[in-house]
Amino acid sequence: DSGVTQTPKHLITATGQRVTLRCSPRSGDLSVYWYQQSLDQGLQFLIQYYNGEERAKGNILERFSAQQFPDLHSELNLSSLELGDSALYFCASSVGDGTYYEQYFGPGTRLTVT
Amino acid sequence: KNEVEQSPQNLTAQEGEFITINCSYSVGISALHWLQQHPGGGIVSLFMLSSGKKKHGRLIATINIQEKHSSLHITASHPRDSAVYICAVRPNTGNQFYFGTGTSLTVIP
Repeated sequence: DSGVTQTPKHLITATGQRVTLRCSPRSGDLSVYWYQQSLDQGLQFLIQYYNGEERAKGNILERFSAQQFPDLHSELNLSSLELGDSALYFCASSVGDGTYYEQYFGPGTRLTVT
Repeated sequence: KNEVEQSPQNLTAQEGEFITINCSYSVGISALHWLQQHPGGGIVSLFMLSSGKKKHGRLIATINIQEKHSSLHITASHPRDSAVYICAVRPNTGNQFYFGTGTSLTVIP
């Protein structure tokens, strides 16, 4: 158990809908990272927050947005969903900001868009 | 264009064998991460390397920053090592993370 929690574990929804994925980092960790893992694209970095502020942005679509709240939990919002958005979404947390900090991964949310 | 290349893509080994997985990258980096993903999907960070070598139990990771290459070695492999091993880098410039496509390892008893 990494100490990072993600809800829900599974989500099935229809095209065009909007969903929110939630992540609670390990106690004391200030950074939260979001990743998407699909069968054809592998792991892709979406976005990172550090202590409430956006720190880095990767291949995140404009239909997706995220935020980190004062209690440090984070939410990833996916809207106007398409079939291709079906994937595993992981969040990870680390104590600091930057490449030298080990990341602890949550169990993931499996999103299926039908 | 893949900034991170891993080899081999798939690897089958007999229990007890010494295993090497390679990772090459094309961008300048400060550190590289090795991740392990089990069949159930969970991801565990194995190593963060900025130079030299690190060892955790039967796992050893090495990196040569100048040659842009890292290796993950597993000594005395065991069926519970069966997983996908992924290397990841964060370039010195910009804030992106790049991932290899992973090496799927199966260790047969």
